[in-house]
Amino acid sequence: GEDVEQSLFLSVREGDSSVINCTYTDSSSTYLYWYKQEPGAGLQLLTYIFSNMDMKQDQRLTVLLNKKDKHLSLRIADTQTGDSAIYFCAETYLGAGSYQLTFGKGTKLSVIP
Amino acid sequence: NAGVMQNPRHLVRRRGQEARLRCSPMKGHSHVYWYRQLPEEGLKFMVYLQKENIIDESGMPKERFSAEFPKEGPSILRIQQVVRGDSAAYFCASSPPGSHEQYFGPGTRLTVT
Repeated sequence: GEDVEQSLFLSVREGDSSVINCTYTDSSSTYLYWYKQEPGAGLQLLTYIFSNMDMKQDQRLTVLLNKKDKHLSLRIADTQTGDSAIYFCAETYLGAGSYQLTFGKGTKLSVIP
Repeated sequence: NAGVMQNPRHLVRRRGQEARLRCSPMKGHSHVYWYRQLPEEGLKFMVYLQKENIIDESGMPKERFSAEFPKEGPSILRIQQVVRGDSAAYFCASSPPGSHEQYFGPGTRLTVT
């Protein structure tokens, strides 16, 4: 079955870059996502990448995909205190007519002022 | 354009009672996904619905849980005879037709006492 793994914690200083890593097992993944969850809130879609791409950049966010190693990363440049949250990696493929998402357990990012 | 709405935000039920969770998708979205998040865990897919149809219920527990998305009104996740293990945050996400992008609501936090 599908599995998505993430490290649980990351701590960085304000202004530094953060890199959050994720590995997945399902080689038929079509899209891979990064979601952000702040305390007591829902999930905010940050960005996603199609499986035939290597990289996607969106302002301070850079997503890198190594399909051979099934490794996905999210880099946040110039990390701010407002970036403190839990970041979830997720993947999907069109199976059973559904884009159901499979999530990792989340990486809690703490930004030190 | 209002985002995905869920109510109630917090729900307390005693063991054996019924819980009804509502989800109103974004305007123009006719697809709804339900996910459950246990404490310290990622989200787990439960069910995917389109208007008046259940498309994929592969993540739904076999007993006590049901979901609907009527032609008019919100999608409802119903849990009968709740047990303590049902305590979790329940999120719904909506998606426009033909899209893989899912937009999440703020969640309903169910506590079973």
